[in-house]
Amino acid sequence: DARVTQTPRDKVTEMGQEVTMRCQPILGHNTVFWYRQTMKQGLELLAYFRNRAPLDDSGMPKDRFSAEMPDATLATLKIQPSEPRDSAVYFCASGSETLAGGLNEQFFGPGTRLTVL
Amino acid sequence: AQSVAQPEDQVNVAEGNPLTVKCTYSVSGNPYLFWYVQYPNRGLQFLLKYITGDNLVKGSYGFEAEFNKSQTSFHLKKPSALVSDSALYFCAVRGPGYSTLTFGKGTMLLVSP
Repeated sequence: DARVTQTPRDKVTEMGQEVTMRCQPILGHNTVFWYRQTMKQGLELLAYFRNRAPLDDSGMPKDRFSAEMPDATLATLKIQPSEPRDSAVYFCASGSETLAGGLNEQFFGPGTRLTVL
Repeated sequence: AQSVAQPEDQVNVAEGNPLTVKCTYSVSGNPYLFWYVQYPNRGLQFLLKYITGDNLVKGSYGFEAEFNKSQTSFHLKKPSALVSDSALYFCAVRGPGYSTLTFGKGTMLLVSP
């Protein structure tokens, strides 16, 4: 049963610390997405990769957030320095795009619950 | 721009009764439409999608959704609700020329025994 995995599941840190969240997409998927979920804003798209290349990170605060895909089996989202307003659940999702450019459904990981004190 | 509206923050229904969770969308051109469900402390799970073809789409757990182009709607339905259906439901859209999905705010479905 193929699944998206995310680590850590929970993270509590203090303001100013660096946070790194990791995601292992489903093998064979060529698209990876990072989302942030809060009660106030709902589900927000932070970054999007296709074939490991970043295509859209317009939803991400560039001064403190960075997203990378060092290889096809790992995506990372870093926050440095972290702030209390970054407290949220961060989801990674993966999917596949058809040759015609169609986007199939996305499969979500269980999320990382981040609390910045 | 593409957008999705879920006009109800919460839907309450008694077990055994039919349920509807509403979704309307705005895109230029033909949409791809999706429904996802989120249980507490879990990620979103795919329920069903409309790409093309039959306007009535059947998905997981007995859910179905009807695509209505003239009303730009994609309401989620189930003939008989279960208490275990209680969860947060998200509608999402992708329009032509877009590479990503836009999600609605979500609708909390509460099914009472």
